[in-house]
Amino acid sequence: QKEVEQNSGPLSVPEGAIASLNCTYSDRGSQSFFWYRQYSGKSPELIMFIYSNGDKEDGRFTAQLNKASQYVSLLIRDSQPSDSATYLCAVNQGAQKLVFGQGTRLTINP
Amino acid sequence: EAQVTQNPRYLITVTGKKLTVTCSQNMNHEYMSWYRQDPGLGLRQIYYSMNVEVTDKGDVPEGYKVSRKEKRNFPLILESPSPNQTSLYFCASSLSLAGGHEQFFGPGTRLTVL
Repeated sequence: QKEVEQNSGPLSVPEGAIASLNCTYSDRGSQSFFWYRQYSGKSPELIMFIYSNGDKEDGRFTAQLNKASQYVSLLIRDSQPSDSATYLCAVNQGAQKLVFGQGTRLTINP
Repeated sequence: EAQVTQNPRYLITVTGKKLTVTCSQNMNHEYMSWYRQDPGLGLRQIYYSMNVEVTDKGDVPEGYKVSRKEKRNFPLILESPSPNQTSLYFCASSLSLAGGHEQFFGPGTRLTVL
């Protein structure tokens, strides 16, 4: 079992709809969870981080964490073509290591 | 401007020819890390450093070396590159990994080993 798993996609969503990205992790001791966005040919950039169970909202983005189910998700409301990118889920392992999923490629169709 | 810089950005080399990819950050970050990114495999950690003179292996350290003699610099060394090290490499830095601190990534180095 991979430590951090994501559906690699591609995930295709119409413009204006809600895009839902999912991630599961295996280390129950993980405390911090991150979502990075990576445009093609560019470096990853942080969108959200979450460490408490429940929802965390920032503009059109909502991160959801369920530690009991070892599941973290990212919702993008009112999806825009500029949201088309690969989204990377990352989970910390202690204070030394950040483990990334393989990424989900998201395409927003105008 | 706060940033992580990497050089070179692109490199084509031949098997066995030693090379160094430099990484520098100007944010006084303690934590630095090297990743490689391959299609379908995501970002995999090669080495990381918690502070000056403190380095440790990540998930895929074979064939790589690092050093951390100064806080701002964290070079990645390939003593004898092989074709399976052809990849996109990212350096990243952070205040720490605890407390949700963001990792800032460099622009990437695309390496091709022939």
